[in-house]
Amino acid sequence: QLVLTQSPSASASLGASVKLTCTLSSGHSRYAIAWHQQQPEKGPRYLMKLNSDGSHDRGDGIPDRFSGSNSGTETYLTISSLQSEDEAHYYCQTWGTAIQVVFGGGTKLTVL
Amino acid sequence: QVQLVESGGGVVQPGRSLRLSCAASGFTFSSYAMHWVRQAPGKGLEWVSVISHDENKKYYADPVKGRFTISRDTSKNTLYLQMNSLRHEDTAVYYCAKVGRSYAFYDSLDVWGQGTTVTVSS
Repeated sequence: QLVLTQSPSASASLGASVKLTCTLSSGHSRYAIAWHQQQPEKGPRYLMKLNSDGSHDRGDGIPDRFSGSNSGTETYLTISSLQSEDEAHYYCQTWGTAIQVVFGGGTKLTVL
Repeated sequence: QVQLVESGGGVVQPGRSLRLSCAASGFTFSSYAMHWVRQAPGKGLEWVSVISHDENKKYYADPVKGRFTISRDTSKNTLYLQMNSLRHEDTAVYYCAKVGRSYAFYDSLDVWGQGTTVTVSS
């Protein structure tokens, strides 16, 4: 059973950078991952998709302050030049015929 | 612009039914699979169901299998979720979402609606 694991919380200062991690359960290293942002009291917003080869595609209107990378079973979302509106929950997502759609538990990012 | 707008949520007693709708605009609805995802109060995102672009394939998460039915009406650019035998644990905000690639069944979900709230309570 594929599981995506995210740290429940993270924090960083205004203007700084933060790196959020999404870890695939063992034996599942070649899945593409998408990242979504959910600001308080709002629906999710698609940020980007990271392919297993490391290439990524940002969603429409997503600033290049948001970037992605991966290494083995870990996929990362890096947010640079943190702004107050970046304070949100961040969810990773993967998919496939055998697994359907799976979400990580989400990371709540606090901007200090 | 690409937009998804859900409706149909409300308060319903356990065992009753509810139908959610998702009106799509700004893209060729008939070319994209569509998903329903829900979020219980204070919890994370949970995948519920998917329907292929041509309605030929439909899949459901185990907690809703046999109770929920996904469908779509291309003439109305609308996605539906018929929810029967509702339970307290179905209480959640329900979101519809579009897949990122045309004709793909599973992919990143690149457009989300604002959600509609379903509360199952006696």
